[in-house]
Amino acid sequence: DAKTTQPPSMDCAEGRAANLPCNHSTISGNEYVYWYRQIHSQGPQYIIHGLKNNETNEMASLIITEDRKSSTLILPHATLRDTAVYYCIVKSQGAQKLVFGQGTRLTINP
Amino acid sequence: NAGVTQTPKFRVLKTGQSMTLLCAQDMNHEYMYWYRQDPGMGLRLIHYSVGEGTTAKGEVPDGYNVSRLKKQNFLLGLESAAPSQTSVYFCATQRGGYSDTQYFGPGTRLTVL
Repeated sequence: DAKTTQPPSMDCAEGRAANLPCNHSTISGNEYVYWYRQIHSQGPQYIIHGLKNNETNEMASLIITEDRKSSTLILPHATLRDTAVYYCIVKSQGAQKLVFGQGTRLTINP
Repeated sequence: NAGVTQTPKFRVLKTGQSMTLLCAQDMNHEYMYWYRQDPGMGLRLIHYSVGEGTTAKGEVPDGYNVSRLKKQNFLLGLESAAPSQTSVYFCATQRGGYSDTQYFGPGTRLTVL
């Protein structure tokens, strides 16, 4: 699976959009981009995933560049409860394993 | 519908003691996983199972054994605990096939003295 690079930490004001970047320049054609988050001491939580089209669900939006070498997770109206470590993971469909990197520690400030 | 549960939530062991961590799921998922997470780090895969009666090694399998005798349960065993195994252990499940979302349990915090 391709390696991902994320900034170690980010801050965002409550109520604003949080934009979390991820680089995955070695991604191959059959690999998906997944986002999970881990709120302090809890198990990771699935957020969203995509292949090449932009995706949106009730939690977030995922924007993938046309060349698929990077993506951005958008939390449209961040709340204090969105403070967590966010993991960007690249995985081929049907592959059994998730490989977690260090993630981005997002802090939402009041 | 409890999802993924882990037993126990906390445990303190002495070096050389043994124990078994239980992961149970009620979602009828095929795949199950054990991860460990050390302070300030991401999760690392220990062992996983793609179906009842099957197991496979992950990234950091040494010092652990697993069993999947029933589809709904995945056991992680430490035969002779070492301080290096002090960690938080997470279990996860995945429906299997082309559904790739993993669902995680609440974790077991293990300290080995």
